[in-house]
Amino acid sequence: RKEVEQDPGPFNVPEGATVAFNCTYSNSASQSFFWYRQDCRKEPKLLMSVYSSGNEDGRFTAQLNRASQYISLLIRDSKLSDSATYLCVVNTYTGTASKLTFGTGTRLQVTL
Amino acid sequence: SQTIHQWPATLVQPVGSPLSLECTVEGTSNPNLYWYRQAAGRGLQLLFYSVGIGQISSEVPQNLSASRPQDRQFILSSKKLLLSDSGFYLCAWSHDRRTEAFFGQGTRLTVV
Repeated sequence: RKEVEQDPGPFNVPEGATVAFNCTYSNSASQSFFWYRQDCRKEPKLLMSVYSSGNEDGRFTAQLNRASQYISLLIRDSKLSDSATYLCVVNTYTGTASKLTFGTGTRLQVTL
Repeated sequence: SQTIHQWPATLVQPVGSPLSLECTVEGTSNPNLYWYRQAAGRGLQLLFYSVGIGQISSEVPQNLSASRPQDRQFILSSKKLLLSDSGFYLCAWSHDRRTEAFFGQGTRLTVV
């Protein structure tokens, strides 16, 4: 089983739609969680951290369920500029260092 | 503010040639440093991480090596490149074991 699993997509949605991405992780000792965005041929950039209580940043809402080892990202009122690959990231402390493990990403294409 | 520099941006190298990619971080001290590789259409694969000078952990056995000669300098090397070494190489840093990572702009390596 992969350490971090995501639906690869692509998700093709019209502008204004709401879209949800899911992610599961295998290591119950994982401690912190993030969503990154990666545009084509660019480096990943942090979108938001994910907290146990759930958190929102504008049109973006992230949720964490530790019991189910499940992370989600909800994008409301999708914009053309939201088109990108969204990476689920899990941070696990190994005892000597933190290790960030990335999912393979979910591709989103927002269309007119 | 912190910045991360990675160079070169693109590189074309023949099979069997050596490789040296350099990454430096400014504006912070004792960062955790990472090298990732992303093959075309694939997710990010953690290659090496370092928690301090001279401390390198390898995630995947391969013909690559990493070194950290200074606190904010991380170098990825190979003595003899293989075709399979082609990919997008990304350096990243984080403050500590719970925080997000920030990426350099990446080096797109093509081995021919």
